[in-house]
Amino acid sequence: QSALTQPPSASGSPGQSVTISCTGTSSDVGGNNYVSWYQQHPGNAPKLVIYEIRNRPSGVPDRFSGSKFGNTASLTVSGLQADDEADYYCSSHAGHNNFMIFGGGTKLTVL
Amino acid sequence: QVQLQESGPGLVKPSETLSVTCTVSTGSISGYFWTWIRQSPGKGLEWIGYIHYSGSTNYNPSLKSRVTISVDTSKNQFSLNLTSVSAADTAVYYCARLQPPNNRNFDYCGQGTLVTVSS
Repeated sequence: QSALTQPPSASGSPGQSVTISCTGTSSDVGGNNYVSWYQQHPGNAPKLVIYEIRNRPSGVPDRFSGSKFGNTASLTVSGLQADDEADYYCSSHAGHNNFMIFGGGTKLTVL
Repeated sequence: QVQLQESGPGLVKPSETLSVTCTVSTGSISGYFWTWIRQSPGKGLEWIGYIHYSGSTNYNPSLKSRVTISVDTSKNQFSLNLTSVSAADTAVYYCARLQPPNNRNFDYCGQGTLVTVSS
């Protein structure tokens, strides 16, 4: 059982928006600004798409956005494209010992 | 653009030690924190531990008794040793850099190396 809770699947049609949630506790997601999101295509390494709740690394399109309310963080992918179909993992810092914890991943399907 | 490449044995016998090395091929290992993450087949991600280029470390409490991460700045490499492995340690092992300045997530990641524990 993963430390952070994500829905196992999400889907949307090309051009639509989809939001993936990531629920933790006040000790992790709700307790700091260090929530990040990773995109993983099959057979590939995870790729950082959002860090510190809402920041995008260079090269990540602004169709990807992040937010947080309380103990739940969210990743929104707007203007869905075929290449967005992938697994998405959230991560949070949770103190020195639980330095980096992950959600179980959400499989995003572009219909 | 930082490039990382894992190298590992592919197959390890139960109860033996798993050793994987990460080579940082572009950029210097100095000045940064480096981390290991693994992913069991069909499963999610698990943080294993991190090391600062100076040698200070922090490990996942669930693995702490079996994990050692070391760094060799002269070779621009850092390594993972995991002792007393079992089938549960079968996974793709990724090395990555913690993103400065806050070092709370990773930004660059290697392609991963699959290590299977089996007799």
